[in-house]
Amino acid sequence: EDQVTQSPEALRLQEGESSSLNCSYTVSGLRGLFWYRQDPGKGPEFLFTLYSAGEEKEKERLKATLTKKESFLHITAPKPEDSATYLCAVQGTYKYIFGTGTRLKVLA
Amino acid sequence: DTAVSQTPKYLVTQMGNDKSIKCEQNLGHDTMYWYKQDSKKFLKIMFSYNNKELIINETVPNRFSPKSPDKAHLNLHINSLELGDSAVYFCASSPHLSPNTGELFFGEGSRLTVL
Repeated sequence: EDQVTQSPEALRLQEGESSSLNCSYTVSGLRGLFWYRQDPGKGPEFLFTLYSAGEEKEKERLKATLTKKESFLHITAPKPEDSATYLCAVQGTYKYIFGTGTRLKVLA
Repeated sequence: DTAVSQTPKYLVTQMGNDKSIKCEQNLGHDTMYWYKQDSKKFLKIMFSYNNKELIINETVPNRFSPKSPDKAHLNLHINSLELGDSAVYFCASSPHLSPNTGELFFGEGSRLTVL
């Protein structure tokens, strides 16, 4: 069964304290893995697409990586404005499935 | 200039009522979606339209009826509202012709509360 699991559910970091969010997946025929950011009261905002194991994408303090079973979203020296829920989604042969997200809080 | 816009942002209504949510995108995309996000933040696809044609209908009760008058608009009408319909409904669009493909662009959501 196609599945996406994100961990941890919630994460609190001090400003400048780097960390990683995990997205583990099981899917028939991976066609793409997507990271989104969702602020409270807003819709998800697209961040990255990864297509194959070994691929990496970067944007400001965020770096997404992909293996055959999971993806990591690395946050380097986060700032309070990075606080949000980060959603992972996987596109398989038949389905496009979202995880339930990691709620990140960065404290000043 | 909002890319995907939904109205209304908030809906509070009684059980049994009928309500509609409207969505418009100005991105020129051919594919549009309705997603439901429950209280645990799980996003689940409901419908997908490609250039006004229904492509995906994910086991959604018949009380939910999408309508696409043109490829820039996708509305959602809900009949006989139930308590379990309370959720945030997101409209999204995609530049890809195939449904369930690629990055999605979401509206800000419509929070429906059924009392």
